[in-house]
Amino acid sequence: SQTIHQWPATLVQPVGSPLSLECTVEGTSNPNLYWYRQAAGRGLQLLFYSVGIGQISSEVPQNLSASRPQDRQFILSSKKLLLSDSGFYLCAWSVGSGAYNEQFFGPGTRLTVL
Amino acid sequence: GENVEQHPSTLSVQEGDSAVIKCTYSDSASNYFPWYKQELGKRPQLIIDIRSNVGEKKDQRIAVTLNKTAKHFSLHITETQPEDSAVYFCAASPYNTDKLIFGTGTRLQVFP
Repeated sequence: SQTIHQWPATLVQPVGSPLSLECTVEGTSNPNLYWYRQAAGRGLQLLFYSVGIGQISSEVPQNLSASRPQDRQFILSSKKLLLSDSGFYLCAWSVGSGAYNEQFFGPGTRLTVL
Repeated sequence: GENVEQHPSTLSVQEGDSAVIKCTYSDSASNYFPWYKQELGKRPQLIIDIRSNVGEKKDQRIAVTLNKTAKHFSLHITETQPEDSAVYFCAASPYNTDKLIFGTGTRLQVFP
C-alpha cells in the first residue's frame, strides 16, 4: 500500500532563517506531487506541483521554492523565512495524468516563524 | 487561472438536519470537482467527487450536484451526525491538468 511521510511534524524558526521541508511517498512510482499551505480563512493554497523528476510548476509567486531530486521525494525550501510563511504545509500525491485523480495528503508540517 | 469560491465559511446545524455547502468556479473548462473532509488535527480526505459530464452523484447520506451553466456545485449532507463535524473543502480541476484548486473551506458543526 502507498504511504506518504512528511517531516518535521512541527517547526519553529526565526525570521530570516532557511527552511527545508521534506515529503516522501512509498508504494507507488512516478506520482504527481503537490505542496499546499493551509492558513486560517484561506483554505488549501496550492504552492507547487510536479509531474516528474526536475519538473516543478509554481502556482503562487512567493518566498518559497520546491525541488524533486528523486521520483518519490519532494522538498519545499526557503532561503530566508518571512513571518507570513507561517502555516500548515501539506504534501500530497496522486497518480495518472489529466483530471479525475484523487489526491492523498500527508500528515503535514506546522511551521511557526517568529 | 481557476478560482473557487466557497460558502458559507461556517455552518452550524442540529443533529438530523441537512447541511448544504456551495461552491462556484471561474474556469468553464474545469471538468472534475472533488470534495474533501478534514477532521480536527487530521489530513484532508476525499469523500465524494463529480465529473463534468454528470449532474448529480450520491453516496449514502452525501450527494453532490453540478450546474455547469452556472459554474456552480454543491455538497448536500442529510441526516447529519456529530461525526460529520469537520472542515469541508470543494475543489476544481482545470481541464487537462493534474492540479486541484481548492475553496476556502466550510467549518461544519453538528450539535447533538
